[in-house]
Amino acid sequence: DGGITQSPKYLFRKEGQNVTLSCEQNLNHDAMYWYRQDPGQGLRLIYYSQIVNDFQKGDIAEGYSVSREKKESFPLTVTSAQKNPTAFYLCASSETGTSSPLHFGNGTRLTVT
Amino acid sequence: GQQLNQSPQSMFIQEGEDVSMNCTSSSIFNTWLWYKQDPGEGPVLLIALYKAGELTSNGRLTAQFGITRKDSFLNISASIPSDVGIYFCAGRYGAGNMLTFGGGTRLMVKP
Repeated sequence: DGGITQSPKYLFRKEGQNVTLSCEQNLNHDAMYWYRQDPGQGLRLIYYSQIVNDFQKGDIAEGYSVSREKKESFPLTVTSAQKNPTAFYLCASSETGTSSPLHFGNGTRLTVT
Repeated sequence: GQQLNQSPQSMFIQEGEDVSMNCTSSSIFNTWLWYKQDPGEGPVLLIALYKAGELTSNGRLTAQFGITRKDSFLNISASIPSDVGIYFCAGRYGAGNMLTFGGGTRLMVKP
């Protein structure tokens, strides 16, 4: 089945440690995205990539980094510079083109203590 | 970035009732999307709207792209317990591919 896989589902880290969240898609989509969701809130864009080896900052990129070495993969690293990293992280992908809807993975809940 | 105002923030209704929620923007959007998110899961696309005035149904769900292109609404008819979740609107403006999301409407259904 085609889809987006995020792993792990739950992640616990100590403050000061970097952590990398995985996102893989087999939909053959060119564009991939990372969103952050806080309790009771909407989705805020962290980073996005329209094509391999290229990515752009979203609205809340500070304290995060990404890479896009393969079309299928768009890992997100939450660095120790992110002041409030505990959140639900959602990865999405889409075809390029202004009419393409986003397809989401099932998220990773990160807890930093 | 652009802001989408989604209302109401939450609704607690009786099973069988109809539901209506909407999103408004101060800017013109060229695409409106409606998603549903179950607890602990990613949002799932319900309906996509691409033209002003467009009215689209998906089972008991109906959504419309406002004539002014600054708003959209989603109706759910004859609600059932599995309708529980958070409903998000999302809009796309300009030539880019970026979506702006509303703050969500949390729907609770009492059997």
